[in-house]
Amino acid sequence: NAGVTQTPKFRVLKTGQSMTLLCAQDMNHEYMYWYRQDPGMGLRLIHYSVGEGTTAKGEVPDGYNVSRLKKQNFLLGLESAAPSQTSVYFCASSQGDRNYGYTFGSGTRLTVV
Amino acid sequence: AQSVSQHNHHVILSEAASLELGCNYSYGGTVNLFWYVQYPGQHLQLLLKYFSGDPLVKGIKGFEAEFIKSKFSFNLRKPSVQWSDTAEYFCAVIPSGGYNKLIFGAGTRLAVHP
Repeated sequence: NAGVTQTPKFRVLKTGQSMTLLCAQDMNHEYMYWYRQDPGMGLRLIHYSVGEGTTAKGEVPDGYNVSRLKKQNFLLGLESAAPSQTSVYFCASSQGDRNYGYTFGSGTRLTVV
Repeated sequence: AQSVSQHNHHVILSEAASLELGCNYSYGGTVNLFWYVQYPGQHLQLLLKYFSGDPLVKGIKGFEAEFIKSKFSFNLRKPSVQWSDTAEYFCAVIPSGGYNKLIFGAGTRLAVHP
């Protein structure tokens, strides 16, 4: 089925470890986004990309890096995980036309201990 | 700062009660407006959206929302809630310009008791 796929779905990290979250979309969307969801704070934009090879900072970019080497993939990296990065991470994509809305992935639950 | 505000963080209702969840935004110009729902343990689902035209928008599962431009509001309503509506509800806005970024409110947790 067409859509946005996130891997992994769950992960537990120790403080200081690194990891990469993968987001893949098969809808040929230009724009891709990474959000984090925390209780009482809604979803906050971490980084986004408006096309292959481009990335930009969102609302809460510190401690994260991203890459968009291929149009269909958007990677979110944590170089040195901290407990404050315990969250649920959602990837999304859109066509870039604001009238088409977003397609969200099913989320990655990350716990940093 | 520009933002999306949801007035109620927690709402508790009995089945068959009416629901209204408030949402205000502070962006000027043209906006696209959305309500998303997240059922326990699940990811976000789109309830309804407003882009232009009739300010009263009907969505899935009997939900509707009204866009009042003069009040910068997009309130969600349902005449009679069911236990299965227990979920978290998010209002979101795509402001004009800015690479189609979707800005979320903090969410409202709705609990419906039988």
